[in-house]
Amino acid sequence: QKEVEQNSGPLSVPEGAIASLNCTYSDRGSQSFFWYRQYSGKSPELIMFIYSNGDKEDGRFTAQLNKASQYVSLLIRDSQPSDSATYLCAVPGGNTPLVFGKGTRLSVIA
Amino acid sequence: GAGVSQSPSNKVTEKGKDVELRCDPISGHTALYWYRQSLGQGLEFLIYFQGNSAPDKSGLPSDRFSAERTGGSVSTLTIQRTQQEDSAVYLCASSLRFSSDTQYFGPGTRLTVL
Repeated sequence: QKEVEQNSGPLSVPEGAIASLNCTYSDRGSQSFFWYRQYSGKSPELIMFIYSNGDKEDGRFTAQLNKASQYVSLLIRDSQPSDSATYLCAVPGGNTPLVFGKGTRLSVIA
Repeated sequence: GAGVSQSPSNKVTEKGKDVELRCDPISGHTALYWYRQSLGQGLEFLIYFQGNSAPDKSGLPSDRFSAERTGGSVSTLTIQRTQQEDSAVYLCASSLRFSSDTQYFGPGTRLTVL
């Protein structure tokens, strides 16, 4: 059974700080990785996906992938209160759909 | 439509009644997924469709749950003889193809069983 682990949080950071969200996965064969954001009462929305080892930047968001260590992280620079949400990591299961972690709740304190 | 749509947005029903939830995926998306999310919990995968076919139904919580997809487009999730523990948000997602493609979620249907 493929597993995706995330710290449930809450992770509290002050406004303007860097928020670091981490995710580990069990399947070494996983090739692509997704980060979704879910505001309270809303459905998940895609923030980023990453396929290659290293960093991928998109605005204030940076996804970092380390396949050897089987972790993927999401950094949010200059965190804003509007970034307060639950962040879900997802990993394809090969012949099964995306496997989602339970999410990390982020709270950005103004 | 530009995104995944679901109806109804809210459904309140009495215990023992049947309910039908609808999902309309993004046009051209061949894969469709159903999830359930209880309050404060993570996503629980229920079933997926590749075209009109659902290869694996083992994620459905009980035999009261069934789903179908017709014409490679609209899908319905049916819950028979609803129970209070069925209360949750039911989310539908679609992707261009199966497996590693990005899933795009609909707004969900909030089901409350009294």
